[in-house]
Amino acid sequence: QQPVQSPQAVILREGEDAVINCSSSKALYSVHWYRQKHGEAPVFLMILLKGGEQKGHEKISASFNEKKQQSSLYLTASQLSYSGTYFCGPLTGNQFYFGTGTSLTVIP
Amino acid sequence: DTEVTQTPKHLVMGMTNKKSLKCEQHMGHRAMYWYKQKAKKPPELMFVYSYEKLSINESVPSRFSPECPNSSLLNLHLHALQPEDSALYLCASSQDFRTSGVNEQFFGPGTRLTVL
Repeated sequence: QQPVQSPQAVILREGEDAVINCSSSKALYSVHWYRQKHGEAPVFLMILLKGGEQKGHEKISASFNEKKQQSSLYLTASQLSYSGTYFCGPLTGNQFYFGTGTSLTVIP
Repeated sequence: DTEVTQTPKHLVMGMTNKKSLKCEQHMGHRAMYWYKQKAKKPPELMFVYSYEKLSINESVPSRFSPECPNSSLLNLHLHALQPEDSALYLCASSQDFRTSGVNEQFFGPGTRLTVL
């Protein structure tokens, strides 16, 4: 079953914060997060690992609750460049499967 | 070079045509992936190659035939497609599928396919 993300869509003003949630029906061992801008390919944001280890390229924070099978992505002081669709990808075996997606729009 | 290239960018084909999509990476990655993405939907995994061998086939119809001639190249051969196969086809690569939990995937720009 596909991981479910919430909210489905959110509109922010520049400088505001947002939280994107990802829920999985399966046990989580690690979670990938990607952002896809309109008409472009998905771009890696972060990997969260069991035990709290994180690997990411941007100043975006995230959390990972193994017991609740959930992950959350925290976007603070949003910028126009944060606009796009955010996908989580909980790992199942050796492969992750994209969640339902959250569309984020940042307006001036 | 952290780029994954895909050709062609756009492809229009009839239901009786045979065509191929090509994907290339020169990052030394040993895992390569094909995804299909419909408008406003998440990418759906189709195939995974690990060390040039097919590791995952997500029950994809046989009219899609993947091929990995070498560690840098991934092809997707298309034959007798249906209009509902029209979508964006994304290729990706990662360092090693066996440790994919800790390795990010790098995506190509995609091929936008239209089947008439």
